[in-house]
Amino acid sequence: DAGVTQSPTHLIKTRGQQVTLRCSPKSGHDTVSWYQQALGQGPQFIFQYYEEEERQRGNFPDRFSGHQFPNYSSELNVNALLLGDSALYLCASSLAGDYPLSYEQYFGPGTRLTVT
Amino acid sequence: QQPVQSPQAVILREGEDAVINCSSSKALYSVHWYRQKHGEAPVFLMILLKGGEQKGHEKISASFNEKKQQSSLYLTASQLSYSGTYFCGSPVFTNTGNQFYFGTGTSLTVIP
Repeated sequence: DAGVTQSPTHLIKTRGQQVTLRCSPKSGHDTVSWYQQALGQGPQFIFQYYEEEERQRGNFPDRFSGHQFPNYSSELNVNALLLGDSALYLCASSLAGDYPLSYEQYFGPGTRLTVT
Repeated sequence: QQPVQSPQAVILREGEDAVINCSSSKALYSVHWYRQKHGEAPVFLMILLKGGEQKGHEKISASFNEKKQQSSLYLTASQLSYSGTYFCGSPVFTNTGNQFYFGTGTSLTVIP
């Protein structure tokens, strides 16, 4: 049973550039959430996708956008990168259920983004 | 909005027990517990739902007090593999949108 996969593992970008991160959910899961984790901090919720739509969103600017495909995989796009966007970006998959954000989440290994 | 955990850090010897607490200023509809080892992704440990339903690993136990908006994670007979940072987490529902908040984290170190 394949778990959550993310690509790439590491990425170095220059301030002002754009980046796309990819995630494939655990088999059987239909919901994908994205988190940003700065060094020494807990994960911060960016947004959640279900049925190819953004269903929930955290306190992140519009520079952060996403997409979910019919096969439930997802992309996170960040435009106009800032030095402060350097972090580990985690993807988590879950089931949608009756209550959003109320099912256990399974995390991928993350993408380490460094902005110089 | 972020749940507050206590203690911030704890050091145990193998075989000792520990309790990690999670407290929220917002109503808790469910509480999740995750463990994250250094350089790795968070791993699901347990979820506690309103009404008493629990789901998680057999060797992990936790409690959920809906009225006090608190949850506790109980680690018994600790092993070296228990070391890591423990996070509670909970969805928060507001009229402007829903989010998931992780707690402030508790660093647990188990030594031989």
